[in-house]
Amino acid sequence: EVHLVQSGTEVKKPGEPLKISCKGSGYDFSSYWIAWVRQMPGKGLEWMGIIYPGDSDTRYSPSFQGQITISVDKSIRTAFLQWNRLKDSDTATYYCARRPMIVVGENWYFDLWGRGTLVIVSS
Amino acid sequence: SYELTQPPSVSVSPGQTARITCSGDALPKRYTHWYQQKSGQAPGLVIYEDTKRPSGIPERFSGSSSGTMATLTISGAQVEDEADYYCYSIDTSGDHRVFGGGTKLTVL
Repeated sequence: EVHLVQSGTEVKKPGEPLKISCKGSGYDFSSYWIAWVRQMPGKGLEWMGIIYPGDSDTRYSPSFQGQITISVDKSIRTAFLQWNRLKDSDTATYYCARRPMIVVGENWYFDLWGRGTLVIVSS
Repeated sequence: SYELTQPPSVSVSPGQTARITCSGDALPKRYTHWYQQKSGQAPGLVIYEDTKRPSGIPERFSGSSSGTMATLTISGAQVEDEADYYCYSIDTSGDHRVFGGGTKLTVL
């Protein structure tokens, strides 16, 4: 069965670094883009960025450029989202999601989602 | 930046038709996709490329798009359809991929 399995809840202090993960199974991981989506408490969804495991090609939302780093290790079928210095405002649930192999031009969408990683940043 | 506008809430009785709209300037040239998020769960795709339904999604879910507005229609809404629904699309430049603000559907 096809899955995206995300790492568990993290509780961190402001200023600390963090790297969360998303492991794909049941499909050709290298051939599908993986995106990250933020959902702050009680709020809507925000697209953060996306990476292609085959060659690590990465795109960032202008809203998140410079604030996060998206990476991948295709040998372990895992994508990562990391922060060098967390802020209180990074408290949110972070979802990874898979883009289908074939889409129409730039009209990307996501057909498979992980269950989310809750990140709590508090002093 | 680019924005997609949805009504904050829609309420229907079971068996009625629920319509959730999404407006955006680029929609005449871009596809709209729709996600359902039930309480405490991850989002799931219910409609892609304006009108297409993924396998496993009930036939009562349908999508349409005309001009600057896309619509998700749930024909004969059921209590289990209660959820937040988000549209998603991209602006004409390709620089901004955005979700709408979400619509809370109540079926009671």
